[in-house]
Amino acid sequence: EAGVAQSPRYKIIEKRQSVAFWCNPISGHATLYWYQQILGQGPKLLIQFQNNGVVDDSQLPKDRFSAERLKGVDSTLKIQPAKLEDSAVYLCASSLRLAGELGNEQFFGPGTRLTVL
Amino acid sequence: QKEVEQNSGPLSVPEGAIASLNCTYSDRGSQSFFWYRQYSGKSPELIMFIYSNGDKEDGRFTAQLNKASQYVSLLIRDSQPSDSATYLCAVNMNTGNQFYFGTGTSLTVIP
Repeated sequence: EAGVAQSPRYKIIEKRQSVAFWCNPISGHATLYWYQQILGQGPKLLIQFQNNGVVDDSQLPKDRFSAERLKGVDSTLKIQPAKLEDSAVYLCASSLRLAGELGNEQFFGPGTRLTVL
Repeated sequence: QKEVEQNSGPLSVPEGAIASLNCTYSDRGSQSFFWYRQYSGKSPELIMFIYSNGDKEDGRFTAQLNKASQYVSLLIRDSQPSDSATYLCAVNMNTGNQFYFGTGTSLTVIP
C-alpha cells in the first residue's frame, strides 16, 4: 500500500513570496490533515478535511494560509505572502476513520521543508 | 496551560533498560491518545494508541492511560539504540475534533 505522498520535499523562498504544497493521501482515507512543525516543537494541526469538507481550521492563519481538497482526494496548502516565521516542515497526514472516531490513526507523509529568507 | 505537555528531556537510558515517557493533557473529555516516534529529519510514525483506562501492550511497548489523572505514558522495555528518537504524545480532544501534539521527549539509548 502506497503511503502519503507530498511534494515538493524542499522549498526555499523569500519573504512575501507565495508557495504551495501538494498532498496525495493513502487511497480510501477519508480524513486529511495539514500540520506545521517548527524545529524543536510538536506538529501543530492547521486544518482537517473529511472527504472534501473542512472539519476544523481553527488554527489556520487565514489571512495568509489557505487549503483545499478538491474531489475529496488530493489537497493543496498555500501560503501567500510568506513570512520568516513560516519556516517549518509542513506535514500532511491521512486516516481511514472519520474525525473524532476512537483510535483515529494518522499516517504521515515525508513532509515539505520550507525555508523563508 | 498547554493542551498536551511532555517533559522535553533529553532522557538517556542504557541499552536493555526500561524507558518511561510521560504525558499529561488538559481536556478531561479527551477520547483517544497516541504515541508517535519521530527520528531526526523524518516524519512521525505511529507506535500505538489507547482509549481505555489501563494498560495496552504491543511487543516491547506498553501504553498506560489514567483518565482520572489526565495522564498517559509509554514504557519501552529492553530499550535498543534504534529506539533513540523523539517520542510525541498526541491527544484527540473531545471538543471540535481537535488533535494536539506535545513538544516531544528526546530519548537516547546508550549502547
